[in-house]
Amino acid sequence: SQKIEQNSEALNIQEGKTATLTCNYTNYSPAYLQWYRQDPGRGPVFLLLIRENEKEKRKERLKVTFDTTLKQSLFHITASQPADSATYLCALVTASYDKVIFGPGTSLSVIP
Amino acid sequence: GAGVSQSPSNKVTEKGKDVELRCDPISGHTALYWYRQSLGQGLEFLIYFQGNSAPDKSGLPSDRFSAERTGGSVSTLTIQRTQQEDSAVYLCASSPSRQANEQFFGPGTRLTVL
Repeated sequence: SQKIEQNSEALNIQEGKTATLTCNYTNYSPAYLQWYRQDPGRGPVFLLLIRENEKEKRKERLKVTFDTTLKQSLFHITASQPADSATYLCALVTASYDKVIFGPGTSLSVIP
Repeated sequence: GAGVSQSPSNKVTEKGKDVELRCDPISGHTALYWYRQSLGQGLEFLIYFQGNSAPDKSGLPSDRFSAERTGGSVSTLTIQRTQQEDSAVYLCASSPSRQANEQFFGPGTRLTVL
């Protein structure tokens, strides 16, 4: 069956450390993967996108990797700050571009 | 400029009633998406519009759900004969095209069915 999974547990890390979130998928052929941030009571906000032919993308303190062999994307936040505390969602866009499948999200707490 | 707006922000209804949720996308965005998010859960894809057309309606949970988009702009999601399990936050997003890099989300409509 098709599914997308993210870190099953909430992630708590110390301020200044690197947070690493995982997104695994099965039985999909994605055009690309997106990562979003969602704060309580708000809609998701787009962070980064990585295409299936790209290995890595960076934006400021954020880095995303994509391994189509492992069917996995990793999302890194370096030098984490308490303001980075939120739920992070990965989303897979199918090769036909007609479906967007979101993972369940990972709750990240950065402790001062 | 204005972002995606949704109305109402909150809706409380009684089981069995019909509800209509509205989404105003960013002007010029041709792609529009509807999602449902239950408490503590991820986003469940419901339907996607390219212009006024919805190529795939298979994400709608049941035949009580329908959606339309007119003039390539405003979209409405209608839930008939609401059930308690329909309680969730309904999110709308738009993007410049279906191949665009990102979706812009509205604040959502919180639906509570008593």
